[in-house]
Amino acid sequence: AIQLTQSPSSLFASVGDRVTITCRASQGIASGFAWYQQRPGKAPQLLIYDASTLDAGVASRFSGSGSGTYFTLTISGLQPEDSATYYCLQAETYPLFGGGTKVEIK
Amino acid sequence: VQLVESGGDLVQPGGSLRLSCTASGFTVSDTYIRWFRQAPGKGLEWVSVIYSGGRTFYADSVRGRFTISRDNSKNTVYLQADNLRAEDTAVYYCARDRGNGGTVLDFWGQGTMVTVSS
Repeated sequence: AIQLTQSPSSLFASVGDRVTITCRASQGIASGFAWYQQRPGKAPQLLIYDASTLDAGVASRFSGSGSGTYFTLTISGLQPEDSATYYCLQAETYPLFGGGTKVEIK
Repeated sequence: VQLVESGGDLVQPGGSLRLSCTASGFTVSDTYIRWFRQAPGKGLEWVSVIYSGGRTFYADSVRGRFTISRDNSKNTVYLQADNLRAEDTAVYYCARDRGNGGTVLDFWGQGTMVTVSS
């Protein structure tokens, strides 16, 4: 199965900062790729699908890009409510999440 | 649209539980429903899926021990978990797979906790 490696595993940033999380796949991904946000004690929430399409109702400061084996999630103008763990997801054979990136506010 | 899980509990190793995922606002038989789990302090793991047509698939870690099923009259999907092990301890979530491809999971339940311990 294709493995996903996220980096960094955690980061501290200030309100208003631009934050970029990367997700590298062990093989090229031809089908869907998505990003999720999970706040503590809550279920994951879909942010972006098809690598770059913002899901309905998701704040426009979130954006995604990439293809093949390299994908990024960018938060442009970090807000306090963005403190969460972010996961990438591919499902070439079965759904498999990356290890997660914990974003904390300074 | 809402998904509500129930059935999580403390169970001894080798025991069984049936988890329920009841939907409102849409019909479970019209879409794919997936189960995921998250062990304490760990990441997310896919467990099982039931397709709209009824086909089912399982992760290697649970195949032969877990069974996914659906009751259309109750608009509910079940996960029967047998021969539970300590490593099955996790919060279990069900999710609607809007795109049927495994990555567009647009609605999730709140989760139900399964603890396997003697």
